[in-house]
Amino acid sequence: GDSVTQMEGPVTLSEEAFLTINCTYTATGYPSLFWYVQYPGEGLQLLLKATKADDKGSNKGFEATYRKETTSFHLEKGSVQVSDSAVYFCALQGAGSYQLTFGKGTKLSVIP
Amino acid sequence: DTAVSQTPKYLVTQMGNDKSIKCEQNLGHDTMYWYKQDSKKFLKIMFSYNNKELIINETVPNRFSPKSPDKAHLNLHINSLELGDSAVYFCASSSEVGYGYTFGSGTRLTVV
Repeated sequence: GDSVTQMEGPVTLSEEAFLTINCTYTATGYPSLFWYVQYPGEGLQLLLKATKADDKGSNKGFEATYRKETTSFHLEKGSVQVSDSAVYFCALQGAGSYQLTFGKGTKLSVIP
Repeated sequence: DTAVSQTPKYLVTQMGNDKSIKCEQNLGHDTMYWYKQDSKKFLKIMFSYNNKELIINETVPNRFSPKSPDKAHLNLHINSLELGDSAVYFCASSSEVGYGYTFGSGTRLTVV
């Protein structure tokens, strides 16, 4: 079945540091890929998505590129802020499937 | 505001009780979902309805029963609550496959 593996957290960075959160997936066909963010005490918000190979999703300074050859969708940001502290989830939706399969989440803490 | 809204936000109850969580979306989406998030932040799908039809029914205890009176509402009823049911329950909705979900803000259920 479909699965998502993302790097274990927690990740602690200083403000303005570069962020990478690795995500790889297993799926048949061409799934759609997503990053969701969950701020403390809140629900999940869609951060960015990509629906086909080589697509780059971007939002709020975050980027991720759909790499079919490495089955990856790593999240990056050039300069993190304290307000980026949250849990980040990588997810996939298989072709023709309603179900979103999530990774286990990576907690990011950004310190001033 | 357009959103997925779920009530209550917090629910504290004793073991053995029966409780319901309500969810409503005014986004015009055809598909709704219930996810459970455990204490380690892991998200697992429980149920999904598409236009009032059950389309995803994962392995959950039959004490959990979803009900969808119309495509804008998906409620979750839980009988004979157990300590292990304590978690955050998220409702979500989606329009088409490949576009991701919109999540509610969650219901934190605590069974004592």
